Amino acid sequence: DTAVSQTPKYLVTQMGNDKSIKCEQNLGHDTMYWYKQDSKKFLKIMFSYNNKELIINETVPNRFSPKSPDKAHLNLHINSLELGDSAVYFCASSQGADSYNEQFFGPGTRLTVL
Amino acid sequence: GQNIDQPTEMTATEGAIVQINCTYQTSGFNGLFWYQQHAGEAPTFLSYNVLDGLEEKGRFSSFLSRSKGYSYLLLKELQMKDSASYLCAVVDSNYQLIWGAGTKLIIKP
Repeated sequence: DTAVSQTPKYLVTQMGNDKSIKCEQNLGHDTMYWYKQDSKKFLKIMFSYNNKELIINETVPNRFSPKSPDKAHLNLHINSLELGDSAVYFCASSQGADSYNEQFFGPGTRLTVL
Repeated sequence: GQNIDQPTEMTATEGAIVQINCTYQTSGFNGLFWYQQHAGEAPTFLSYNVLDGLEEKGRFSSFLSRSKGYSYLLLKELQMKDSASYLCAVVDSNYQLIWGAGTKLIIKP
């Protein structure tokens, strides 16, 4: 059974388009995250979200928006895609809202903007 | 500002021992993680240290010195499958996870 799953695994799209990446976790965790990993392999937190609070990294453009239909899902919607958005996006989840809990990562979505 | 420093790349020989260092300057400290990430895959949890000292888990051990802002990951009896990036991450006073850029470990036969 896959603990944290993401779709699609690969996404190639044109500049200016709007796209979504889906994430689901079956671990019963309270908190989910979105990370961006660029070509230099630096993992950068974008959002963390639980039932009570959405924490947004202030450096993330407002073209990016997380959407959580329920506790097990946290989707990432991106408007007006730009070339610089090309990266691997990882979803993760953890038990509890505190960052000292182990995070479980999804397989990643490689986004290429042309 | 908050900063996590790790060597960019290290090379070691199969069967040997390697130590990957991590130094940090963060606003507060609530623990340090080590994650392993194989190329093209997701990071996976290796260890969590919040108290000073060495924690051993099979071939991997992690050490922490809070007073020095320093940790290391020790890998023994290296295997080819240990070729990966190793990410150090610190939980700061706001319980935010601050990630290092990772150390790419290359294992040679």
